[in-house]
Amino acid sequence: GQQVMQIPQYQHVQEGEDFTTYCNSSTTLSNIQWYKQRPGGHPVFLIQLVKSGEVKKQKRLTFQFGEAKKNSSLHITATQTTDVGTYFCAVNYGGSQGNLIFGKGTKLSVKP
Amino acid sequence: EAGVAQSPRYKIIEKRQSVAFWCNPISGHATLYWYQQILGQGPKLLIQFQNNGVVDDSQLPKDRFSAERLKGVDSTLKIQPAKLEDSAVYLCASSSIQGYEQYFGPGTRLTVT
Repeated sequence: GQQVMQIPQYQHVQEGEDFTTYCNSSTTLSNIQWYKQRPGGHPVFLIQLVKSGEVKKQKRLTFQFGEAKKNSSLHITATQTTDVGTYFCAVNYGGSQGNLIFGKGTKLSVKP
Repeated sequence: EAGVAQSPRYKIIEKRQSVAFWCNPISGHATLYWYQQILGQGPKLLIQFQNNGVVDDSQLPKDRFSAERLKGVDSTLKIQPAKLEDSAVYLCASSSIQGYEQYFGPGTRLTVT
């Protein structure tokens, strides 16, 4: 079946450093969502990207959708300990709106 | 606004036994999803309902898994008989018809021994 590659699998940073996770698909995407899951918690929606080349910002988080709609990135500027968790991309290839395929996630740890 | 409710939160069973999970979505959300999340992986969609109809169950192992949402509100997911590889967190999520954001419940952690 269709899969999405998410890298890196783990990222350890010092507080204040930047962090980026990437999501790649071999097939054009309809849209992509990003979720955050804190340790022991459940996924929480962050954002959805739909348009080619789209860039959205939420405070220290910047989300990008590639021009070809096959890749996306999430960048966190100046990480804080509250950013700890696993970040998942979830892609839709054009089926029903809610039919999402999740990546394996990038687990972020932040050292104070 | 109350979130998605799930019960039980934890369940331990032996292989070949049966188990059922319950989910109550956010009030007014027509779409309900069941996901399986194995440790270290992303959630995998098992089944999607819109009201009481199935939209997608292509990844549901139908020989052992079943799900229903009879009145278009709460839902149950059943596994019978359970296998060791079914050990995972089972997440329920809901969304409104107009919305794309999925709201997840706390999940049920299933351990099959």
